[in-house]
Amino acid sequence: DAKTTQPNSMESNEEEPVHLPCNHSTISGTDYIHWYRQLPSQGPEYVIHGLTSNVNNRMASLAIAEDRKSSTLILHRATLRDAAVYYCILRDLGNAGNMLTFGGGTRLMVKP
Amino acid sequence: EPEVTQTPSHQVTQMGQEVILRCVPISNHLYFYWYRQILGQKVEFLVSFYNNEISEKSEIFDDQFSVERPDGSNFTLKIRSTKLEDSAMYFCASSDHLLAGKNNEQFFGPGTRLTVL
Repeated sequence: DAKTTQPNSMESNEEEPVHLPCNHSTISGTDYIHWYRQLPSQGPEYVIHGLTSNVNNRMASLAIAEDRKSSTLILHRATLRDAAVYYCILRDLGNAGNMLTFGGGTRLMVKP
Repeated sequence: EPEVTQTPSHQVTQMGQEVILRCVPISNHLYFYWYRQILGQKVEFLVSFYNNEISEKSEIFDDQFSVERPDGSNFTLKIRSTKLEDSAMYFCASSDHLLAGKNNEQFFGPGTRLTVL
């Protein structure tokens, strides 16, 4: 899987929007961009994924650059419960094993 | 909402002992996975399982590890002779689709903390 680069940590104030960046300059045409997060002492959980177009769901929005070399996960109003490690993961459509390759992620701290 | 469950939540064992970690994936899912996370480190893929056989495994998943789906609901990870470095959180996951672009999010269980003394 192509490599992703994320900041180690970010801080946000509660109820403010948060933009979590991810660089993936070596992304291939068949790579989907997935985001997972891991709340403290829990297993990872899926957040959102996309290929080329921006995506929205109940948890977040995903903005994908036109050249697909970067993406941004947007939490519209951060809550204390959003404090977690956020992972940006590329997954090849043709990956038969379909494993997730986790990097270090971005640790998001939310201040009240 | 359906969820992946894992038992036990914490397992303590002596070095050299065999352990079996148990998982109950979401009932209509067909693809099963084990990951581990050593304290303070990244989540690492161990193995994926589909149609009663291993689809893919990492270098970590050596001969000391095995997986099984003994019945229609359980998915187990066995470590035959545990080492100190096997101490980690072990996460089971399942998904209902193989393709990365389809709605094939992996659902993770809460994990089993394995402590090898």
